[in-house]
Amino acid sequence: AQSVTQLGSHVSVSEGALVLLRCNYSSSVPPYLFWYVQYPNQGLQLLLKYTTGATLVKGINGFEAEFKKSETSFHLTKPSAHMSDAAEYFCAVSRGGTGFQKLVFGTGTRLLVSP
Amino acid sequence: DGGITQSPKYLFRKEGQNVTLSCEQNLNHDAMYWYRQDPGQGLRLIYYSQIVNDFQKGDIAEGYSVSREKKESFPLTVTSAQKNPTAFYLCASSGQTNQPQHFGDGTRLSIL
Repeated sequence: AQSVTQLGSHVSVSEGALVLLRCNYSSSVPPYLFWYVQYPNQGLQLLLKYTTGATLVKGINGFEAEFKKSETSFHLTKPSAHMSDAAEYFCAVSRGGTGFQKLVFGTGTRLLVSP
Repeated sequence: DGGITQSPKYLFRKEGQNVTLSCEQNLNHDAMYWYRQDPGQGLRLIYYSQIVNDFQKGDIAEGYSVSREKKESFPLTVTSAQKNPTAFYLCASSGQTNQPQHFGDGTRLSIL
């Protein structure tokens, strides 16, 4: 079975500061990993995904994440926070490979950006 | 533009009443999903469907029912057996296996 742990239910940064949101996963097989963003009263929007290949994945809005198998981590980063980045972020995992697989979500991290 | 439409955006349920949440997609996706979102708990899977006329229970199916008569539609009924239905409900769809899921904008259900 797969599981995801997001460390920190809330993260606060100043505008222009580095954003780091942590995600650790558990999977008995090579995983597929995803980061989604949710703005208030909206659905989830895909930021980026890792399936196979390059371990550093670039997404939308300047975000990127690095798959580190040895650390079972997939942390999300952005060099310089913008006010518009304030939202809730979800990490998710599924089993890799062929065949239908369900997504398992973390409990989310709310990013607060102050001027 | 292709996407997922959930309606209504806000819904109120009286005690003992069943209510149905609508989810329609025009992305030609085979798989569809229903999630429940509660503060601090992330998303929990209620039901999912891989093809028309077939669906499976997720992690919290008790008190809910679904149907999948058309590829485009996957309505969710919250029955009176669901004792704590107040939540934000999200519908999603995906194409080929392990492709990212696309989400609707959700329905917020409250109890009168």
